Amino acid sequence: AQSVTQPDIHITVSEGASLELRCNYSYGATPYLFWYVQSPGQGLQLLLKYFSGDTLVQGIKGFEAEFKRSQSSFNLRKPSVHWSDAAEYFCAVVSMEYGNKLVFGAGTILRVKS
Amino acid sequence: EAGVAQSPRYKIIEKRQSVAFWCNPISGHATLYWYQQILGQGPKLLIQFQNNGVVDDSQLPKDRFSAERLKGVDSTLKIQPAKLEDSAVYLCASSFRDLGSTIYFGEGSWLTVV
Repeated sequence: AQSVTQPDIHITVSEGASLELRCNYSYGATPYLFWYVQSPGQGLQLLLKYFSGDTLVQGIKGFEAEFKRSQSSFNLRKPSVHWSDAAEYFCAVVSMEYGNKLVFGAGTILRVKS
Repeated sequence: EAGVAQSPRYKIIEKRQSVAFWCNPISGHATLYWYQQILGQGPKLLIQFQNNGVVDDSQLPKDRFSAERLKGVDSTLKIQPAKLEDSAVYLCASSFRDLGSTIYFGEGSWLTVV
């Protein structure tokens, strides 16, 4: 069955440190890939998306993600985390194989310590 | 540009009561989505509209949930009768068209069933 996996439920990093959030998917063809961020009590905001082309995509707020077809991964990275980045991050996938629905992972909660 | 508007933001009801949530998408967006987000999980698609037609309602519990988008603009999601397990955030989202368009989310309607 198709799925989106975010292996880390919680991650804690120090302010200024680098960040990598993992995302793996299990779809036959390359899907469309997204990262969203959700601050407490807020809706989801799109950070970046990958449809095709360059496998390293840049997003808002200094985030980037790299699509690796061989690993079925789309990990989110940021070189230096700020306290305001504390939030929940969701990887999401749209696959034409499965009705073009946006399917979300379970999310990773990021805590930033000063 | 105004975002996706939802109301009410918060609602507490007793089980077996009914509740309705309203959503006004971004102007010009043909596709409207309702997602359910249970605490600790990623959002799950309940129903997707293209203009005023239903594209996908395969995960909508039709014995108790209903949704409509009569004029192809705003939408209402109703739950009747509510169960304890319906406690969740109901997120409305919209996009200009279907696959390939960025999906924009509202801030959500928080439902607690007691």
